[in-house]
Amino acid sequence: QVQLQESGPGLVKPSETLSLTCAVTGGSISGYYWCWIRQPPGKGLEWIGYMHSSGSSNYNPSLKSRVTISMDTSKSQLSLNLRSVTAADTATYYCAKIRSGGASFDFWGRGTLVTVSS
Amino acid sequence: QSALTQPASVSGSPGQSITISCTGTSSDIGSYNLVSWYQQYPDKAPKPIIYEVSKRPSGISSRFSGSKSGNTASLTISGLQAEDEADYYCCSHAGTIPYVVFGGGTRLTVL
Repeated sequence: QVQLQESGPGLVKPSETLSLTCAVTGGSISGYYWCWIRQPPGKGLEWIGYMHSSGSSNYNPSLKSRVTISMDTSKSQLSLNLRSVTAADTATYYCAKIRSGGASFDFWGRGTLVTVSS
Repeated sequence: QSALTQPASVSGSPGQSITISCTGTSSDIGSYNLVSWYQQYPDKAPKPIIYEVSKRPSGISSRFSGSKSGNTASLTISGLQAEDEADYYCCSHAGTIPYVVFGGGTRLTVL
């Protein structure tokens, strides 16, 4: 059973970079697509972007200029960097595995709340 | 504003059936049989309950069913139980960019 665990600072200052890591256990990170999804408090879900173990990636156009997703297959880790954050980036950030066949998410991490505040 | 439109709330009594609609466009729901649904309890991660319009992941009750007609997808929950009270989100493939779009979520209340 694949398990995902997000980690990173719970508080980030405005204009700084939000950096999160997702550890994948119980299965191989290779050969699959992995993504980040976020959810502002009391609001809906927003897809941030995905990466395949081959290195291909794709980002939400609304965040593309500020987002980088990377992967370390040797450590079975997925990472997210979101630059120049504002209060609007305050959210619970989830990493998730994309189901083979596409466009749905079959395993999710528990999520980590990141607050942007000075 | 979310790309897919869901009712903000629905309610039903135990034992009844309810249906949650999810309306998109010909660029997302109308073009792909890649609609998924997620159940979310407060302060918990979303849980997949339907993928590829009508398929259930292992372990998901047959009380949950999905369908699609044109640009609208639907989630039906039959034999409502108190434990079904949660938020439900639809999601659809939308091509390459953006990859997927979500609905705004529907709060289900079991009366």
